[in-house]
Amino acid sequence: GIQVEQSPPDLILQEGANSTLRCNFSDSVNNLQWFHQNPWGQLINLFYIPSGTKQNGRLSATTVATERYSLLYISSSQTTDSGVYFCAVEETSGTYKYIFGTGTRLKVLA
Amino acid sequence: DTAVSQTPKYLVTQMGNDKSIKCEQNLGHDTMYWYKQDSKKFLKIMFSYNNKELIINETVPNRFSPKSPDKAHLNLHINSLELGDSAVYFCASSQYGTGGFDEQFFGPGTRLTVL
Repeated sequence: GIQVEQSPPDLILQEGANSTLRCNFSDSVNNLQWFHQNPWGQLINLFYIPSGTKQNGRLSATTVATERYSLLYISSSQTTDSGVYFCAVEETSGTYKYIFGTGTRLKVLA
Repeated sequence: DTAVSQTPKYLVTQMGNDKSIKCEQNLGHDTMYWYKQDSKKFLKIMFSYNNKELIINETVPNRFSPKSPDKAHLNLHINSLELGDSAVYFCASSQYGTGGFDEQFFGPGTRLTVL
């Protein structure tokens, strides 16, 4: 089955810094979604981005499906950005496989 | 206006008991899902229902039985609870979902602890 790997696994930033999170997948996908799990456990939908680039405030994401990766950019990070960031992909095999990545744990220090 | 809601938020129970978790969505979506997040934060899909019809049934013990009385509700019933069932269970919904997975919206989660 498809493998989904995220990097880095852990990241510590000072408030105001920028960061790039990466999601690599081992096979072609139908769609890709980025989530933020905040310290209270809530899963928040960030981007639904099978391909191309999207922006929402300080966050943006780019998926290059042909090269099997997606990037999540966080600019001017804030302490409220802390938590775990997951990407999730759907395999194209038609087997209804939806796979989450291993996550990037981000801590933003004041 | 909570889009996807789950009850209860916390559930502590003894091994061998039977328990249910309820999920409701008011987004008008056709598809609902159950996910399990283990202690290492790994998320895995368990079930998917589209318009009350089971679409996905991953390798889950048959002690877990989803029930969808209508397309706005998807409940999860667990029989004979085991220690390994301790996890956070998330409900989610998406607008379509019959031909694959479209954008998903998650509920707040139910933390189940089996003693």
